[in-house]
Amino acid sequence: DVKVTQSSRYLVKRTGEKVFLECVQDMDHENMFWYRQDPGLGLRLIYFSYDVKMKEKGDIPEGYSVSREKKERFSLILESASTNQTSMYLCASRSRGQKYNEQFFGPGTRLTVL
Amino acid sequence: QKEVEQNSGPLSVPEGAIASLNCTYSDRVSQSFFWYRQYSGKSPELIMSIYSNGDKEDGRFTAQLNKASQYVSLLIRDSQPSDSATYLCAASNTGNQFYFGTGTSLTVIP
Repeated sequence: DVKVTQSSRYLVKRTGEKVFLECVQDMDHENMFWYRQDPGLGLRLIYFSYDVKMKEKGDIPEGYSVSREKKERFSLILESASTNQTSMYLCASRSRGQKYNEQFFGPGTRLTVL
Repeated sequence: QKEVEQNSGPLSVPEGAIASLNCTYSDRVSQSFFWYRQYSGKSPELIMSIYSNGDKEDGRFTAQLNKASQYVSLLIRDSQPSDSATYLCAASNTGNQFYFGTGTSLTVIP
């Protein structure tokens, strides 16, 4: 079974702090994704990566950056956390090149910025 | 038009009834379609995928794809209270992109 893990289930940070959210997958997937999910807004793509050191902006990249130094690990960085970044953050991975392959999600990190 | 659109609901059905969830999609996504179930506070989990026109059945779940009309639906037979969740429709194209609808909230009333 594919396993996607995220570093924390719950996280509380203060405004202005630098925040790191980490995601690890164990299925050698090329593609990895970071989403945030807010009530009424659905899943919104922040960034995705299709290979090591490669990244693409999603729909809402402002205020975020990402890092992919190893194939299995994809990190989301909030350079200076703000209260409007309070949200559920979901990481996902997917095998590349096979259009029929689904995305697998991690358990999510609920981030609260005070 | 968004790539994938769903009626947000909420949809309520009595226990034992058939729940019908619908999703439409744009020309930009036309390859593969997926249904995810998401319980409150949890992450989405895949329950069905469909790639060809017609029906695909898996237990109490049936996914239906109609490419001519650009819609995909999910039927849940003999609905149970444990089916109460938000259901996300998703679609992908030949590239790396993956698109989600905003989800339909389903409540199964005992």
